[in-house]
Amino acid sequence: NAGVMQNPRHLVRRRGQEARLRCSPMKGHSHVYWYRQLPEEGLKFMVYLQKENIIDESGMPKERFSAEFPKEGPSILRIQQVVRGDSAAYFCASSGGGGQPQHFGDGTRLSIL
Amino acid sequence: RKEVEQDPGPFNVPEGATVAFNCTYSNSASQSFFWYRQDCRKEPKLLMSVYSSGNEDGRFTAQLNRASQYISLLIRDSKLSDSATYLCVVTSYGGSQGNLIFGKGTKLSVKP
Repeated sequence: NAGVMQNPRHLVRRRGQEARLRCSPMKGHSHVYWYRQLPEEGLKFMVYLQKENIIDESGMPKERFSAEFPKEGPSILRIQQVVRGDSAAYFCASSGGGGQPQHFGDGTRLSIL
Repeated sequence: RKEVEQDPGPFNVPEGATVAFNCTYSNSASQSFFWYRQDCRKEPKLLMSVYSSGNEDGRFTAQLNRASQYISLLIRDSKLSDSATYLCVVTSYGGSQGNLIFGKGTKLSVKP
C-alpha cells in the first residue's frame, strides 16, 4: 500500500495516560501534516513537519502535545496526560511539497475513558 | 470572520440534479485551493484542485474568483455515490506549501 499509513486505527486511553499516534507518509513524500477533527466539526490544522524539523506548530496546544518526524521511521504525534476533550479523530496527511495536494491517511480515532 | 466559510447545508437533491456549493476565504495571500470530499467517519479525499481559469473533471466544475475570494463547485447529473460532505480548502498563507485551512463542509445527500 503506497498511501499514507496511520496506526492504530482506534486507540482507547484512560485519563492521565499517554497516547502515541503514528503516521508513515506516502512513498516519496517528505512533508507531513497532522489535523484533528472533533465530532461534528471541521478539520483543524495542528502541526507541519519535514524530516527532523517542525515547520509550523501554530495549531498545537501549548501543553501535553508534541510531534516529531525523525530521520528514520514514522511521524509521531504524542499526547501526554490525556483528558476527555482529547477524544477526536486525528488525521495525518503528506505531500511532496511545491503546492502539491495533501493526501490523507485513514485517521486514528482516539477515545478517552 | 472565519478563514473559510461554506454554505451551511445540508443539500438534499434527487438523482440527476445539478447542485452548486459556494465558499469564501479571508486570506487574500492564499495561493492553493482545493475541494475535498469526506464520507462519514472516513478521511478527506482530494476531489480536485481549483485553478484561476476554472477547471472541469467529468461532472465536476470548479471556479475561483481571486478578487472576490470566492470558490465554487458545481456537480452535474448527481449520483447516489456523490452523497458526502464537501470541504472547501485553502492554504494558510502565501506559500503554496502551507498547511490547509478547511471549511466546516457542506453535506450533500442525493436521493433516488
